[in-house]
Amino acid sequence: KNEVEQSPQNLTAQEGEFITINCSYSVGISALHWLQQHPGGGIVSLFMLSSGKKKHGRLIATINIQEKHSSLHITASHPRDSAVYICAVSGGGADGLTFGKGTHLIIQP
Amino acid sequence: GAVVSQHPSWVICKSGTSVKIECRSLDFQATTMFWYRQFPKQSLMLMATSNEGSKATYEQGVEKDKFLINHASLTLSTLTVTSAHPEDSSFYICSARDLGTGAPDTQYFGPGTRLTVL
Repeated sequence: KNEVEQSPQNLTAQEGEFITINCSYSVGISALHWLQQHPGGGIVSLFMLSSGKKKHGRLIATINIQEKHSSLHITASHPRDSAVYICAVSGGGADGLTFGKGTHLIIQP
Repeated sequence: GAVVSQHPSWVICKSGTSVKIECRSLDFQATTMFWYRQFPKQSLMLMATSNEGSKATYEQGVEKDKFLINHASLTLSTLTVTSAHPEDSSFYICSARDLGTGAPDTQYFGPGTRLTVL
């Protein structure tokens, strides 16, 4: 079973700062997901990666398959980015996701 | 984009009653749906994989007689919590895989159902 570790668990930063959240996993995967969960609980899928790098607006996600590591970056952070960011991995096929514990991000004005 | 709905969004029930939660893919077909739950301040955990037209596959430690899953069509899966108890109070989230995309690992999440058992 894959072990997914995220760091940091909690992060408070000032508006405008560059944010990095890290994720590592123990077993080879077919895809890694970055998810955003707001206080109400709803989950939004931000990225799905199997290699390289993806960018969407101010969000950038990278993955290093050899090192079993991924990072999520937020540039020019804003209070509306405050949420829990969750890393999850899938083994492909019909497998469900294995989740990290999440990083609770607070961006202060 | 692909949308998954859940109903109800929240429910409060008495101990011993059964609660049904629906998960629908609104604009795509999904042969596979997943049910997750999240206890307060914990990560999401996969409960079961729901396959259209066949029995669900449950994760270790999840009682299949307590959490009944039915996936009767390509757009609907239901989770019934039978004889609910306070320890079943949790946030239940479903996700669905879009058959039509070229990315089989893509999952779309429902908004979740918060269950409180008194």
